Amino acid sequence: QKEVEQNSGPLSVPEGAIASLNCTYSDRVSQSFFWYRQYSGKSPELIMSIYSNGDKEDGRFTAQLNKASQYVSLLIRDSQPSDSATYLCAVNIKGGGTSYGKLTFGQGTILTVHP
Amino acid sequence: DTEVTQTPKHLVMGMTNKKSLKCEQHMGHRAMYWYKQKAKKPPELMFVYSYEKLSINESVPSRFSPECPNSSLLNLHLHALQPEDSALYLCASSQDLLYEQYFGPGTRLTVT
Repeated sequence: QKEVEQNSGPLSVPEGAIASLNCTYSDRVSQSFFWYRQYSGKSPELIMSIYSNGDKEDGRFTAQLNKASQYVSLLIRDSQPSDSATYLCAVNIKGGGTSYGKLTFGQGTILTVHP
Repeated sequence: DTEVTQTPKHLVMGMTNKKSLKCEQHMGHRAMYWYKQKAKKPPELMFVYSYEKLSINESVPSRFSPECPNSSLLNLHLHALQPEDSALYLCASSQDLLYEQYFGPGTRLTVT
């Protein structure tokens, strides 16, 4: 089982719709979870972070975390063509020794928002 | 300000060359990272520095040598690379190991 898995894409939604992106992770002791957006040829851009169970909203974005189910999701409301990008789920797990800091990414979901 | 800067933007080097990638942040972050990203793949962690000490080395070949001269700077020294090392090299920083990581724009490296 991969450490971080995202729902397979690509995902295509019409402008104005809700885009739903999902991610599961295997490490039960993970404590921090992130969603990044990456445009083609650019570096990842942080759009959401979540550390505790429940929902976290920031503008059109809502992140949801369920640690019991080892599941994190991202909802994008009122999707815009400019939201078209690859979305990366990232989970901070323990790396060598006892340190955190090892950000492990899912394979990414390509989102296309069509006018 | 959440800016991480990287130089150079692009680098072409031969397999016998020695070069260095540089990364800088002025956010007071105490953790800094190097990642490698191949096309259509997610970033892969290479090294983690926490409070200027190497915290994680993900079994990276010795032809990649990281250095953290101070809390704002991170270098990646390259020597005798292989063509398969061609990739986008990303630097990131965070307040501490558990927190959000902010990425720089990356250095696109081509090894000929």
